Amino acid sequence: QVQLQESGPGLVRPSQTLSLTCTVSGGSISSGSYYWGWIRQPAGKGLEWIGRIYTSGNTNYNPSLKSRVTISVDTSKNQFSLKLSSVTAADTAVYYCATDTHVTEYYNYYYMDVWGKGTTVTVSS
Amino acid sequence: QSALTQPASVSGSPGQSITISCTGTSSDVGGYNYVSWYQQHPGKAPKVMIYDVTKRPSGVSNRFSGSKSGNTASLTISGLQAEDEADYYCSSHTSSGTYVFGTGTKVTVL
Repeated sequence: QVQLQESGPGLVRPSQTLSLTCTVSGGSISSGSYYWGWIRQPAGKGLEWIGRIYTSGNTNYNPSLKSRVTISVDTSKNQFSLKLSSVTAADTAVYYCATDTHVTEYYNYYYMDVWGKGTTVTVSS
Repeated sequence: QSALTQPASVSGSPGQSITISCTGTSSDVGGYNYVSWYQQHPGKAPKVMIYDVTKRPSGVSNRFSGSKSGNTASLTISGLQAEDEADYYCSSHTSSGTYVFGTGTKVTVL
Protein backbone atom coordinates (compact mmCIF):
# COMPACT_ATOMS: atom_id res chain seq x y z
CA GLN A 1 0.00 0.00 0.00
CA VAL A 2 1.34 3.40 -1.00
CA GLN A 3 2.16 5.79 1.83
CA LEU A 4 2.85 9.52 1.57
CA GLN A 5 4.80 11.92 3.78
CA GLU A 6 4.99 15.68 3.39
CA SER A 7 8.08 17.65 4.36
CA GLY A 8 9.27 21.22 4.18
CA PRO A 9 9.63 24.47 6.12
CA GLY A 10 6.90 25.25 8.60
CA LEU A 11 7.44 28.99 8.32
CA VAL A 12 7.67 31.03 5.13
CA ARG A 13 8.11 34.79 4.85
CA PRO A 14 5.54 36.83 2.93
CA SER A 15 6.34 37.28 -0.79
CA GLN A 16 8.67 34.26 -0.70
CA THR A 17 8.15 30.84 -2.28
CA LEU A 18 6.63 27.97 -0.33
CA SER A 19 8.31 24.65 -1.17
CA LEU A 20 7.06 21.26 -0.03
CA THR A 21 8.01 17.71 -0.92
CA CYS A 22 5.97 14.53 -0.74
CA THR A 23 7.88 11.27 -0.40
CA VAL A 24 6.19 8.16 -1.75
CA SER A 25 6.82 4.79 -0.13
CA GLY A 26 5.37 1.37 -0.79
CA GLY A 27 5.20 1.96 -4.52
CA SER A 28 6.92 3.63 -7.43
CA ILE A 29 5.95 7.11 -8.47
CA SER A 30 6.89 6.05 -12.00
CA SER A 31 4.40 3.19 -12.13
CA GLY A 32 1.83 5.29 -13.93
CA SER A 33 -0.86 4.09 -11.55
CA TYR A 34 -1.65 7.50 -10.10
CA TYR A 35 -1.73 11.18 -10.56
CA TRP A 36 -0.07 12.84 -7.55
CA GLY A 37 -1.79 15.82 -5.96
CA TRP A 38 -1.68 18.60 -3.41
CA ILE A 39 -4.58 19.85 -1.29
CA ARG A 40 -4.57 22.49 1.44
CA GLN A 41 -6.79 23.45 4.36
CA PRO A 42 -6.58 26.73 6.29
CA ALA A 43 -7.26 26.34 9.97
CA GLY A 44 -10.97 25.93 10.62
CA LYS A 45 -11.80 26.05 6.92
CA GLY A 46 -12.50 23.69 4.06
CA LEU A 47 -10.34 21.73 1.66
CA GLU A 48 -8.92 23.37 -1.44
CA TRP A 49 -7.51 21.35 -4.33
CA ILE A 50 -4.22 22.86 -5.51
CA GLY A 51 -3.15 20.70 -8.42
CA ARG A 52 -1.76 17.38 -9.61
CA ILE A 53 0.92 15.83 -11.78
CA TYR A 54 1.22 12.59 -13.70
CA THR A 55 4.42 10.63 -14.23
CA SER A 56 4.60 12.01 -17.77
CA GLY A 57 4.87 15.51 -16.33
CA ASN A 58 1.34 16.47 -17.33
CA THR A 59 -0.12 18.87 -14.77
CA ASN A 60 -3.46 20.41 -13.86
CA TYR A 61 -3.81 23.36 -11.50
CA ASN A 62 -6.59 25.13 -9.65
CA PRO A 63 -7.36 28.18 -11.83
CA SER A 64 -7.31 30.45 -8.78
CA LEU A 65 -3.72 29.43 -7.97
CA LYS A 66 -2.39 28.59 -11.41
CA SER A 67 -0.24 31.69 -11.83
CA ARG A 68 1.69 30.90 -8.62
CA VAL A 69 1.84 27.09 -8.53
CA THR A 70 4.34 24.62 -9.89
CA ILE A 71 4.15 20.89 -9.22
CA SER A 72 7.04 18.68 -10.29
CA VAL A 73 8.12 15.07 -9.93
CA ASP A 74 11.52 13.55 -9.16
CA THR A 75 11.35 9.89 -10.10
CA SER A 76 14.91 9.21 -8.90
CA LYS A 77 13.88 10.14 -5.36
CA ASN A 78 10.30 8.84 -5.61
CA GLN A 79 9.08 12.30 -4.67
CA PHE A 80 6.88 15.05 -6.02
CA SER A 81 6.99 18.68 -5.01
CA LEU A 82 4.89 21.82 -4.68
CA LYS A 83 6.11 25.35 -5.15
CA LEU A 84 3.81 28.30 -4.42
CA SER A 85 5.26 31.71 -5.13
CA SER A 86 4.52 35.17 -3.75
CA VAL A 87 2.86 33.81 -0.63
CA THR A 88 0.74 35.85 1.75
CA ALA A 89 -0.93 35.12 5.07
CA ALA A 90 -3.85 33.68 3.10
CA ASP A 91 -1.61 30.77 2.10
CA THR A 92 -1.22 29.69 5.73
CA ALA A 93 -2.70 26.20 5.89
CA VAL A 94 -2.17 22.51 6.42
CA TYR A 95 -0.87 21.13 3.13
CA TYR A 96 -1.64 17.53 2.20
CA CYS A 97 -0.24 15.41 -0.58
CA ALA A 98 -2.44 12.62 -1.90
CA THR A 99 -2.87 10.11 -4.68
CA ASP A 100 -5.08 11.91 -7.16
CA THR A 101 -6.82 9.74 -9.74
CA HIS A 102 -5.99 6.06 -9.98
CA VAL A 103 -5.17 5.15 -13.56
CA THR A 104 -5.84 1.64 -14.80
CA GLU A 105 -5.89 0.07 -18.24
CA TYR A 106 -9.66 0.23 -18.49
CA TYR A 107 -10.83 2.93 -16.12
CA ASN A 108 -9.70 5.97 -14.16
CA TYR A 109 -10.81 6.38 -10.56
CA TYR A 110 -11.31 10.07 -9.84
CA TYR A 111 -10.80 10.45 -6.13
CA MET A 112 -8.05 10.94 -3.57
CA ASP A 113 -7.40 7.54 -2.04
CA VAL A 114 -4.20 7.82 -0.03
CA TRP A 115 -3.33 10.96 1.92
CA GLY A 116 -0.29 12.10 3.82
CA LYS A 117 -0.73 13.26 7.38
CA GLY A 118 -0.36 16.89 6.37
CA THR A 119 2.16 19.57 7.21
CA THR A 120 1.39 23.00 8.63
CA VAL A 121 2.83 25.99 6.82
CA THR A 122 2.58 29.44 8.34
CA VAL A 123 3.26 32.57 6.30
CA SER A 124 4.53 35.28 8.60
CA SER A 125 7.33 37.76 8.90
CA GLN B 1 -14.14 27.21 -10.22
CA SER B 2 -16.45 27.72 -7.28
CA ALA B 3 -16.66 25.41 -4.29
CA LEU B 4 -19.55 22.97 -4.29
CA THR B 5 -22.31 23.99 -1.89
CA GLN B 6 -22.96 21.93 1.23
CA PRO B 7 -24.98 22.70 4.37
CA ALA B 8 -22.76 23.97 7.16
CA SER B 9 -24.10 21.50 9.67
CA VAL B 10 -26.34 18.46 9.98
CA SER B 11 -27.24 16.65 13.18
CA GLY B 12 -29.04 13.52 14.21
CA SER B 13 -29.56 11.14 17.10
CA PRO B 14 -27.84 7.76 17.32
CA GLY B 15 -29.54 5.26 15.06
CA GLN B 16 -31.13 7.87 12.83
CA SER B 17 -30.31 8.57 9.20
CA ILE B 18 -29.00 11.88 7.93
CA THR B 19 -28.36 13.17 4.42
CA ILE B 20 -25.81 15.75 3.30
CA SER B 21 -26.32 17.51 -0.01
CA CYS B 22 -23.65 18.77 -2.39
CA THR B 23 -24.69 21.12 -5.18
CA GLY B 24 -22.54 21.99 -8.15
CA THR B 25 -22.99 22.67 -11.83
CA SER B 26 -23.17 20.81 -15.10
CA SER B 27 -19.40 21.29 -15.39
CA ASP B 28 -18.71 19.19 -12.33
CA VAL B 29 -21.30 17.26 -10.30
CA GLY B 30 -23.94 17.21 -13.01
CA GLY B 31 -21.60 16.39 -15.83
CA TYR B 32 -19.76 13.37 -14.48
CA ASN B 33 -20.28 10.42 -12.16
CA TYR B 34 -17.04 11.28 -10.40
CA VAL B 35 -18.35 12.58 -7.08
CA SER B 36 -16.51 11.45 -3.98
CA TRP B 37 -17.11 12.03 -0.28
CA TYR B 38 -14.51 12.42 2.48
CA GLN B 39 -14.76 12.13 6.25
CA GLN B 40 -12.37 14.20 8.36
CA HIS B 41 -11.97 13.93 12.09
CA PRO B 42 -10.26 16.82 13.94
CA GLY B 43 -6.54 16.94 13.33
CA LYS B 44 -6.65 14.05 10.87
CA ALA B 45 -6.32 13.72 7.12
CA PRO B 46 -9.51 13.17 5.13
CA LYS B 47 -10.62 9.62 4.39
CA VAL B 48 -12.59 8.66 1.30
CA MET B 49 -15.99 7.18 2.08
CA ILE B 50 -17.67 7.18 -1.34
CA TYR B 51 -16.34 7.46 -4.90
CA ASP B 52 -17.98 7.43 -8.33
CA VAL B 53 -21.16 8.76 -6.67
CA THR B 54 -22.24 5.45 -5.14
CA LYS B 55 -19.23 3.17 -4.62
CA ARG B 56 -17.71 2.35 -1.24
CA PRO B 57 -13.99 1.59 -0.88
CA SER B 58 -13.11 -1.62 0.86
CA GLY B 59 -13.46 -1.28 4.62
CA VAL B 60 -16.02 1.52 4.61
CA SER B 61 -19.22 0.70 6.45
CA ASN B 62 -22.31 0.03 4.34
CA ARG B 63 -24.09 2.58 6.51
CA PHE B 64 -22.62 5.15 4.13
CA SER B 65 -24.28 5.52 0.74
CA GLY B 66 -24.22 8.04 -2.07
CA SER B 67 -26.55 9.20 -4.81
CA LYS B 68 -26.92 11.95 -7.39
CA SER B 69 -29.71 13.77 -9.15
CA GLY B 70 -28.87 16.44 -11.68
CA ASN B 71 -26.32 18.85 -10.25
CA THR B 72 -26.80 17.67 -6.65
CA ALA B 73 -25.11 14.72 -5.01
CA SER B 74 -25.99 13.36 -1.58
CA LEU B 75 -24.35 11.34 1.15
CA THR B 76 -26.59 9.38 3.50
CA ILE B 77 -25.40 7.98 6.80
CA SER B 78 -27.75 5.34 8.19
CA GLY B 79 -27.77 4.08 11.76
CA LEU B 80 -25.86 7.14 12.94
CA GLN B 81 -23.12 6.36 15.45
CA ALA B 82 -21.03 8.54 17.73
CA GLU B 83 -17.93 7.79 15.63
CA ASP B 84 -19.62 9.37 12.60
CA GLU B 85 -19.30 12.81 14.18
CA ALA B 86 -16.86 14.57 11.86
CA ASP B 87 -16.61 16.99 8.97
CA TYR B 88 -17.67 15.72 5.56
CA TYR B 89 -16.59 17.07 2.18
CA CYS B 90 -17.81 16.23 -1.28
CA SER B 91 -15.58 16.54 -4.31
CA SER B 92 -16.03 16.31 -8.05
CA HIS B 93 -13.81 16.01 -11.06
CA THR B 94 -14.50 18.85 -13.47
CA SER B 95 -14.65 19.49 -17.19
CA SER B 96 -11.32 21.34 -16.90
CA GLY B 97 -9.50 18.27 -15.63
CA THR B 98 -9.36 19.67 -12.11
CA TYR B 99 -11.11 18.86 -8.85
CA VAL B 100 -13.36 21.00 -6.72
CA PHE B 101 -14.30 20.38 -3.09
CA GLY B 102 -17.49 21.20 -1.28
CA THR B 103 -17.72 23.79 1.47
CA GLY B 104 -17.90 21.09 4.12
CA THR B 105 -20.55 19.87 6.55
CA LYS B 106 -20.12 19.33 10.27
CA VAL B 107 -22.07 16.28 11.40
CA THR B 108 -23.09 16.25 15.05
CA VAL B 109 -24.42 13.17 16.80
CA LEU B 110 -26.84 14.38 19.46
